[in-house]
Amino acid sequence: GDSVTQTEGPVTVSESESLIINCTYSATSIAYPNLFWYVRYPGEGLQLLLKVITAGQKGSSRGFEATYNKETTSFHLQKASVQESDSAVYYCALGGITGNTGKLIFGLGTTLQVQP
Amino acid sequence: AQTIHQWPVAEIKAVGSPLSLGCTIKGKSSPNLYWYWQATGGTLQQLFYSITVGQVESVVQLNLSASRPKDDQFILSTEKLLLSHSGFYLCAWGFGGGAREQYFGPGTRLTVL
Repeated sequence: GDSVTQTEGPVTVSESESLIINCTYSATSIAYPNLFWYVRYPGEGLQLLLKVITAGQKGSSRGFEATYNKETTSFHLQKASVQESDSAVYYCALGGITGNTGKLIFGLGTTLQVQP
Repeated sequence: AQTIHQWPVAEIKAVGSPLSLGCTIKGKSSPNLYWYWQATGGTLQQLFYSITVGQVESVVQLNLSASRPKDDQFILSTEKLLLSHSGFYLCAWGFGGGAREQYFGPGTRLTVL
């Protein structure tokens, strides 16, 4: 079936350290998968962080990057130097299901805690 | 700018009681609308989608229903709550089919006792 698996949290890193949150997907019924990272900061709603709809392309936002790798079915989120304000819950999501459902398939979310 | 408002922010309800959650989108004409649900410790699951007023399709059966009485309004309801309905409910809007991102509201936290 279609599913998303991401790094189990919580993930704790120190400020200015690098970060990678792994995301792999299975898209057995989706011809052209689209991939997204969403983020929920404390006290706020779920926000789109970045998206990539073409295999081999990279998306970036707020210093975060993710490359859509069709061969490894991965979409890992990376940041070279995290800040305390990056503490949040990060969700990898899979879209591209044909028809009108517009369904996004989410991973369980990864809680990131950045220590000062 | 588009805004999405959900009400109430939080609810504590008894098993067997009715429920109505609402969502309003301003600044977008005729968007696709979605309801998602997240149980504690679980992932977000799509429950319903609507591409036009008066038409709602169910994706997951959870003894809930949804309606779209106006272009900018989406309602989630049930006549009898179950313990398993507890969780976080998110309304979202988007355009087109699956090849597009969605934008989420702040959510409603529901606790069923």
